[in-house]
Amino acid sequence: GAVVSQHPSWVICKSGTSVKIECRSLDFQATTMFWYRQFPKQSLMLMATSNEGSKATYEQGVEKDKFLINHASLTLSTLTVTSAHPEDSSFYICSARDSSGGDGAKNIQYFGAGTRLSVL
Amino acid sequence: AQSVTQPDIHITVSEGASLELRCNYSYGATPYLFWYVQSPGQGLQLLLKYFSGDTLVQGIKGFEAEFKRSQSSFNLRKPSVHWSDAAEYFCAVGARTGGFKTIFGAGTRLFVKA
Repeated sequence: GAVVSQHPSWVICKSGTSVKIECRSLDFQATTMFWYRQFPKQSLMLMATSNEGSKATYEQGVEKDKFLINHASLTLSTLTVTSAHPEDSSFYICSARDSSGGDGAKNIQYFGAGTRLSVL
Repeated sequence: AQSVTQPDIHITVSEGASLELRCNYSYGATPYLFWYVQSPGQGLQLLLKYFSGDTLVQGIKGFEAEFKRSQSSFNLRKPSVHWSDAAEYFCAVGARTGGFKTIFGAGTRLFVKA
């Protein structure tokens, strides 16, 4: 159980185009999902918290208009990198929390396999 | 504010040897504690977690971790390392209140030599 599917796993795009990444919880409901960015050989940097039915909460320094997040259902969150540039090239990882269970269980994050974005 | 320190950027151990990865945290109360493992180009997999109770927790793949409140530590151990354990290991701290935001340490890369 607790599987998170992230798609696509790898995308190459031209500079100036937009790219959408999907994150789905396959066997549980997730009112909250998280989007991370990971640079080579570094830890995960939280970009934003995606809340079902409401606006995402962005971390300081993350451009809201650049990284659009939509969480329209209890099982799907999308991250759209708008007008991508080479400096946006990175590994993007999503995670989801199971909405059920106690507070401890709510803290467990289930991760997608990540999306490697390369902007030419 | 929460913070997590993994003092070792990388560690090399021989196959069959024991392993200990260090993790220290800063939090105002007892946090939720996690260890995750990441293979190259993959997402993170939960190894084990500590919420409350017994301070020695068992996880998957033969890993265990011990919560020591007095030292604010949650070190990960394995008695005998296998070559397949080579990966990046992240310690994480979760808040017990408000948004359940999780903070990750910088990670420790484990190399296993034959």
